Amino acid sequence: ETGVTQTPRHLVMGMTNKKSLKCEQHLGHNAMYWYKQSAKKPLELMFVYSLEERVENNSVPSRFSPECPNSSHLFLHLHTLQPEDSALYLCASSQAVYGTGGNQPQHFGDGTRLSIL
Amino acid sequence: TQLLEQSPQFLSIQEGENLTVYCNSSSVFSSLQWYRQEPGEGPVLLVTVVTGGEVKKLKRLTFQFGDARKDSSLHITAAQPGDTGLYLCFSGGSNYKLTFGKGTLLTVNP
Repeated sequence: ETGVTQTPRHLVMGMTNKKSLKCEQHLGHNAMYWYKQSAKKPLELMFVYSLEERVENNSVPSRFSPECPNSSHLFLHLHTLQPEDSALYLCASSQAVYGTGGNQPQHFGDGTRLSIL
Repeated sequence: TQLLEQSPQFLSIQEGENLTVYCNSSSVFSSLQWYRQEPGEGPVLLVTVVTGGEVKKLKRLTFQFGDARKDSSLHITAAQPGDTGLYLCFSGGSNYKLTFGKGTLLTVNP
């Protein structure tokens, strides 16, 4: 139990569907992150939120839309995805964004395995 | 963006053997972290190194930060099947450019 919960654990969707991934952290952290993990590629940072404000959008296509309604919850809204978007999507949280207030450890959820048909 | 090169990419050994994996960059790290990711789970932090030449030990795991802060190594003594997983190095700075290496996938066979 890492204190970061992601739902669903698995998701299969067609390219025309709209779905959302959810992340919830119970650690009282102020920063939250979305990462994409594909086979044979490094973990790719997608978005960073600090105190509910997006501070980094790492050139992510607009078919991925993040939302952070409060410091405990983070969503990733998906629409019109492509087959290459199939991957493990990981959410993480930390006390502050890494590098801004020290070397804050990131606590990860177990991810959502996304498959695009 | 700082690139982190990890080697080897794959490593399969027998229980009881020793091993070392590496993380290198052409740039200087401000700090570096090692994570381990087990199948079906997210990465979990093992250690943070900050000072050049620093050595940290975590039971059978020894982490070293290069003097020039451009490289780091993780040495495991007497590996056990429970050490199996993906070992990731990570670094970043104050500009939100957070980078993971591709990782070393370690399999320890009983």
